[in-house]
Amino acid sequence: DAGVIQSPRHEVTEMGQEVTLRCKPISGHNSLFWYRQTMMRGLELLIYFNNNVPIDDSGMPEDRFSAKMPNASFSTLKIQPSEPRDSAVYFCASSFPGRSGNQPQHFGDGTRLSIL
Amino acid sequence: DQQVKQNSPSLSVQEGRISILNCDYTNSMFDYFLWYKKYPAEGPTFLISISSIKDKNEDGRFTVFLNKSAKHLSLHIVPSQPGDSAVYFCAARSSGNTPLVFGKGTRLSVIA
Repeated sequence: DAGVIQSPRHEVTEMGQEVTLRCKPISGHNSLFWYRQTMMRGLELLIYFNNNVPIDDSGMPEDRFSAKMPNASFSTLKIQPSEPRDSAVYFCASSFPGRSGNQPQHFGDGTRLSIL
Repeated sequence: DQQVKQNSPSLSVQEGRISILNCDYTNSMFDYFLWYKKYPAEGPTFLISISSIKDKNEDGRFTVFLNKSAKHLSLHIVPSQPGDSAVYFCAARSSGNTPLVFGKGTRLSVIA
């Protein structure tokens, strides 16, 4: 079975450019999460969706960041304009609907973003 | 304010010995705890979990212990193998399908 698929795997761009990260969750999963990993802050939640609806975006650092989930099989995280401090690894994760708190989130392999 | 803390950034253990990774949390509403393992250039992968109604959960070489009164959990790996070398993340949530809150991770090196 295909896992969570993220693209691109690596992105290098200049400050001020628009960056779009993409995620395809596991089929049948109804929750989708975007995380950012940095040395200083570790893995921090940016936003999550249930049934394509954004539930909590309080982790989105600034208005330069936006995320959408137009359907159950696709989500984007956009940064416009990008800044060097946005350089990090961005992970997407999805999970199966369920009431159990033991339900794991399944992660993609991440997008390593470098803003010059 | 970190709600999940992994105070040891790194740990080295000899092959065959026990590895003990520790995790502390501050939010008393957390009822579910999960451990993830992460190799370089890959996403975290789920390892083992425990809910607050238990104090121990075992899966092969991996055992997680929970001390709710101390707000502390630990992951034991025995015997440790070189392939266990990775970054281990502790994560917690209060209920259902809410997001996980992660610690910063502990890098485990198992030396042959």
